Order: sequence, then structure tokens, then C-alpha cells
Amino acid sequence: NAGVTQTPKFQVLKTGQSMTLQCAQDMNHEYMSWYRQDPGMGLRLIHYSVGAGITDQGEVPNGYNVSRSTTEDFPLRLLSAAPSQTSVYFCASSYVSGVGNSPLHFGNGTRLTVT
Amino acid sequence: GDSVTQMEGPVTLSEEAFLTINCTYTATGYPSLFWYVQYPGEGLQLLLKATKADDKGSNKGFEATYRKETTSFHLEKGSVQVSDSAVYFCALSEESGGYQKVTFGIGTKLQVIP
Repeated sequence: NAGVTQTPKFQVLKTGQSMTLQCAQDMNHEYMSWYRQDPGMGLRLIHYSVGAGITDQGEVPNGYNVSRSTTEDFPLRLLSAAPSQTSVYFCASSYVSGVGNSPLHFGNGTRLTVT
Repeated sequence: GDSVTQMEGPVTLSEEAFLTINCTYTATGYPSLFWYVQYPGEGLQLLLKATKADDKGSNKGFEATYRKETTSFHLEKGSVQVSDSAVYFCALSEESGGYQKVTFGIGTKLQVIP
């Protein structure tokens, strides 16, 4: 099983460039999310989606856009990259559970450097 | 709001030593609690979970007990191996507006030396 697949694994951008980080899952999960991981700060939620056509902002949404046209895909767009967006980005998915105990499944991450 | 507190480390242990990584939390309701592990170059993966007070989660020799009275979920292992070297994240999950809101701790780096 593929699980959660992120591409690319590594990316270097110049300030002001745009790019899209791809995320796909094959587990029919309703919930998908993007996190960034920075030293000393743990994981911070950027955007999330509870189903196709539904997205919402997380803790640190500025500078990022998302869309959810299908259940499987949840791309993250950087419109104009800044050095502050240098980070490791993780996509994660889960079932939407009323009990709240469905664990997150993570991709292997995209390491982004903005110069 | 919800929060999870754990030491950042690194925690350095010799092989076969006893491991404890402390985790305490604050939450408004009745969260589920998780430990995730991140090996170098990989994403996080679920290690164990507990969904209600006094539940014990266990996996691969690791254990953690949901203690509501002390709002804690400490991770323990009786005898660590070099292969346990990784970053360990404590997390809580609460239902919020129809989805599960997940709050992570900062992550504790564990280094096990032979």
C-alpha cells in the first residue's frame, strides 16, 4: 500500500518563485492536512481539509494556498516563496472520526529551501 | 487552548537502559492521546495511543498510560536499542467542529549509544 505520497522530496527555490507541493493518499481518508516542521517548534498546522471542496486555515496559513478537488489529492501552493518558508513539510491524512481517535498517517516529507 | 509539553532533548542513553520521556497536556475536553515516532529522513508514524483515562497503549516494547488526574502520558521502555534512536512526539486529539484537532508536542530526540 502506498499510503501518503509526497513529491518532491527536496526542492530549492529562489525568493519570489512559486511552486506546488503534491500530496496524494490512497486510503480514502476524508481528512487531509499540511504541517511544517521547524527546529525547536515541533509541527505546526498550515491548512487542512475535511473532504473534497472543503478547506480551512490552520495555525500558520499565511503565504500558502490549498485546494481539495478530489478525496485523494491535497496540493499545497507557495505563491511567492520567502526564506521564512524554508522548512520540512509534511502531509498527513486520517478518517474523520467523531470519537477523535483516528491516528494521522504521514508522508515522508518535502525539504524546502528558499534562498 | 490545548497544549502538549515534553522535553526537547536530546536524551542520550546506553543500549539496554530504561527510557522515560515525560509528556503532560492541557485540554478542554476528553482528548485521545498518542505517541508518534519519526526516524531520520521519514515522516511521523503512530507508535501507540490511548483513548480514555487509565488506558495503556503499548507497541514494540513501549508503553504509556493515560493519567487524567495528572494530565500525563509518559512514554516508557524497559530496555532501549540503538534502533530506537529517533524523535518522539506526544500528541492529543480532540473533536472540534466535526474534525479531529491534533496538537503536537515539540518532539524529544532520543539517541541510544552501543
